[in-house]
Amino acid sequence: DGGITQSPKYLFRKEGQNVTLSCEQNLNHDAMYWYRQDPGQGLRLIYYSQIVNDFQKGDIAEGYSVSREKKESFPLTVTSAQKNPTAFYLCASSIHGTSGYNEQFFGPGTRLTVL
Amino acid sequence: GQNIDQPTEMTATEGAIVQINCTYQTSGFNGLFWYQQHAGEAPTFLSYNVLDGLEEKGRFSSFLSRSKGYSYLLLKELQMKDSASYLCAVTDSNYQLIWGAGTKLIIKP
Repeated sequence: DGGITQSPKYLFRKEGQNVTLSCEQNLNHDAMYWYRQDPGQGLRLIYYSQIVNDFQKGDIAEGYSVSREKKESFPLTVTSAQKNPTAFYLCASSIHGTSGYNEQFFGPGTRLTVL
Repeated sequence: GQNIDQPTEMTATEGAIVQINCTYQTSGFNGLFWYQQHAGEAPTFLSYNVLDGLEEKGRFSSFLSRSKGYSYLLLKELQMKDSASYLCAVTDSNYQLIWGAGTKLIIKP
């Protein structure tokens, strides 16, 4: 089955530790995205990548880092510099990043709690 | 700046009809999406509008007026499983999706 996987579903970390969230897709999509969602709020874009070995900052990139070494994979690292990392993190992909019809397909999400 | 407005919460009765409105002000327009998101889950695609008018898909319909910067999602014959948040998102001139905060829809028996 084609889709997007994120692991783990729940993640707990101590304050001050870096943590990496994985995102893998087998849809052969060019573009991938990372969003953060806080309770009662919409999706806020952290980083996106339209092609391998290239990525762009979104609206709230501070305290986060990404890599795109393979088309299928777009891991997100939440660093200790992120002031309030506890949130629901969603990874998404779309066929292309430069099209009006850029329907995004989402992974199941990772709920990160920093203690 | 770019802005998408939706009501925060709506309540409706099982079997009834509900209309969720979305107004937008974005730098350019390349289409509008509606997604459904159940609590704790990922958003799933419902509809896409790029031209003015109504798109119907089963119990769900979506309307767009580009001149008014306005869309609505119409849900008919409401079922309990329709209790969810409904997200409006617009593709801007840079082909980025700009997301509204979502409308939480509560269905009562």
